[in-house]
Amino acid sequence: AQSVAQPEDQVNVAEGNPLTVKCTYSVSGNPYLFWYVQYPNRGLQFLLKYITGDNLVKGSYGFEAEFNKSQTSFHLKKPSALVSDSALYFCAVRDSGSARQLTFGSGTQLTVLP
Amino acid sequence: KAGVTQTPRYLIKTRGQQVTLSCSPISGHRSVSWYQQTPGQGLQFLFEYFSETQRNKGNFPGRFSGRQFSNSRSEMNVSTLELGDSALYLCASSDQGILPDGYTFGSGTRLTVV
Repeated sequence: AQSVAQPEDQVNVAEGNPLTVKCTYSVSGNPYLFWYVQYPNRGLQFLLKYITGDNLVKGSYGFEAEFNKSQTSFHLKKPSALVSDSALYFCAVRDSGSARQLTFGSGTQLTVLP
Repeated sequence: KAGVTQTPRYLIKTRGQQVTLSCSPISGHRSVSWYQQTPGQGLQFLFEYFSETQRNKGNFPGRFSGRQFSNSRSEMNVSTLELGDSALYLCASSDQGILPDGYTFGSGTRLTVV
């Protein structure tokens, strides 16, 4: 079985400061990892993914994430937060096997304060 | 290229009724997955269709069903609606090649059961 944990329901950060949204995962095989963002009354927007290769993945809107196999983590980061980054962020995992469904974390509400 | 289109955007139904939701994937994508999003349970996988075949199914009762047509458009049906079926239903489109792409999500259908 696969699972994702986002330990923080809420993260507050001042505009211009770096932000981190945490994610840890559990899968039986090699993980495929994803970050999505959701704005109110909208679907999920893809930010970035880790499939294989470099542990540091760069994505949309200046976001990046670092895959750490030993700590089974895939934290989302951005060097300088914007007020417009305020949204709900989801980490998701699927294994590299035949089961192709994504398992999502519970989400982290990011608020960037002006 | 056009994104994932879900219709309708909003629905209000009465307990006991049935409902059909539609999802048109990105052109060329053969995989469509459905997810239910609620405040209490978060994002949960319903099922995945690939080339008109259900490939994976989540842990939902038989009242939830789906199908996929030859043009990859998918529908999901919920029969005998319950209040707890009120949720945002999201579909995700993917080409499901050798390595997964980012799973493009639609804006969702907001179902309210009264």
